Amino acid sequence: GIQVEQSPPDLILQEGANSTLRCNFSDSVNNLQWFHQNPWGQLINLFYIPSGTKQNGRLSATTVATERYSLLYISSSQTTDSGVYFCAVEKGWASNTGKLIFGQGTTLQVKP
Amino acid sequence: DAGVIQSPRHEVTEMGQEVTLRCKPISGHDYLFWYRQTMMRGLELLIYFNNNVPIDDSGMPEDRFSAKMPNASFSTLKIQPSEPRDSAVYFCASSPFRGVGTDTQYFGPGTRLTVL
Repeated sequence: GIQVEQSPPDLILQEGANSTLRCNFSDSVNNLQWFHQNPWGQLINLFYIPSGTKQNGRLSATTVATERYSLLYISSSQTTDSGVYFCAVEKGWASNTGKLIFGQGTTLQVKP
Repeated sequence: DAGVIQSPRHEVTEMGQEVTLRCKPISGHDYLFWYRQTMMRGLELLIYFNNNVPIDDSGMPEDRFSAKMPNASFSTLKIQPSEPRDSAVYFCASSPFRGVGTDTQYFGPGTRLTVL
């Protein structure tokens, strides 16, 4: 099956710093989503981004489908950004079913 | 919108007992997904439904697990009999249909299951 690798596995930042999280995948995808799991366990969808670039406030994401990777940028990090960031993909070319395969996540800690 | 609703939020049971987890998806969403999260295996898709019909249950670990969606606003995941290795957080998620398929998935708060 498709492999999803996220890096780095752990990241510690000082509040205000910027960071880039990476997601590599081993096959073509038609569905890619980034999620944030906060310290209370809630999973929040950040981006649906099978290709291209999107921005939402201090967060932005870019997926280069032809090169099989996606990047999540966090600017001016805040303590509330702490948690685990997951990349999830679905293998395929055309219509997608939502059958996502999750990476192992990047655990981010933002210190005040 | 209330988001995806799951109940109970926490469940502690003894080995051999039946466990039923419940989910109410976001109104109007066509897809419903059940996931399990453990430290060892991460987040795994167990089963998903499209318009109340089970489409893919290849992630269901064994016959002790079953899921139903009797209508568009309710789904259950049942474990019978439960075992300690079933201890995990179980998430339900829903997604609307968009063009060529599903769109953003919205997760419920999860049910933390502990089997003693």
